[in-house]
Amino acid sequence: DAKTTQPTSMDCAEGRAANLPCNHSTISGNEYVYWYRQIHSQGPQYIIHGLKNNETNEMASLIITEDRKSSTLILPHATLRDTAVYYCIVRVTNQAGTALIFGKGTTLSVSS
Amino acid sequence: NAGVTQTPKFQVLKTGQSMTLQCAQDMNHEYMSWYRQDPGMGLRLIHYSVGAGITDQGEVPNGYNVSRSTTEDFPLRLLSAAPSQTSVYFCASRPTGVSSGANVLTFGAGSRLTVL
Repeated sequence: DAKTTQPTSMDCAEGRAANLPCNHSTISGNEYVYWYRQIHSQGPQYIIHGLKNNETNEMASLIITEDRKSSTLILPHATLRDTAVYYCIVRVTNQAGTALIFGKGTTLSVSS
Repeated sequence: NAGVTQTPKFQVLKTGQSMTLQCAQDMNHEYMSWYRQDPGMGLRLIHYSVGAGITDQGEVPNGYNVSRSTTEDFPLRLLSAAPSQTSVYFCASRPTGVSSGANVLTFGAGSRLTVL
């Protein structure tokens, strides 16, 4: 799996958009970008994933640059409950024999 | 549909004691895994399984045993607990296959273990 680089921490005001960057400059053509988050003391939660097109679901939007070397997870209207550690993972599909490896992620603090 | 269920939620052991952390999923997922999480660190993979009867080691397997006799269950055994195994343990499962959704993990709520 390609290596990812995320900032250690970020702050965001409640109600504003939170934009979390992830660099994956060595990504290959068949690798997807996945985002998870972990709210304090809970199990991580899947958010969204994409290959090259921008994706949106009820939780967030994922913007992937045209060269696919970086991406941004957008929480359009951050709330206090969005305070969590956010993990960016790059991975191919059809890897039944291997496991997802989580790094240290970005700690997002949303304040009022 | 309960998802991934872990028991117990909390456990205190003395050094040298043995115990088993239970993990069960009702989503018919072939793939199951165990992670541990320590303060200030990310999730580290202990063991994983791609199906009944098949297990493999992750990043930090020492001190832990696993087996997979059914699709639903993936217990994690500590044969002789050590203080270094004090941690929060998470079980996770996902489907296998060729779609991108095959990398979407569903996690349990965690088991907090303290070894004195």
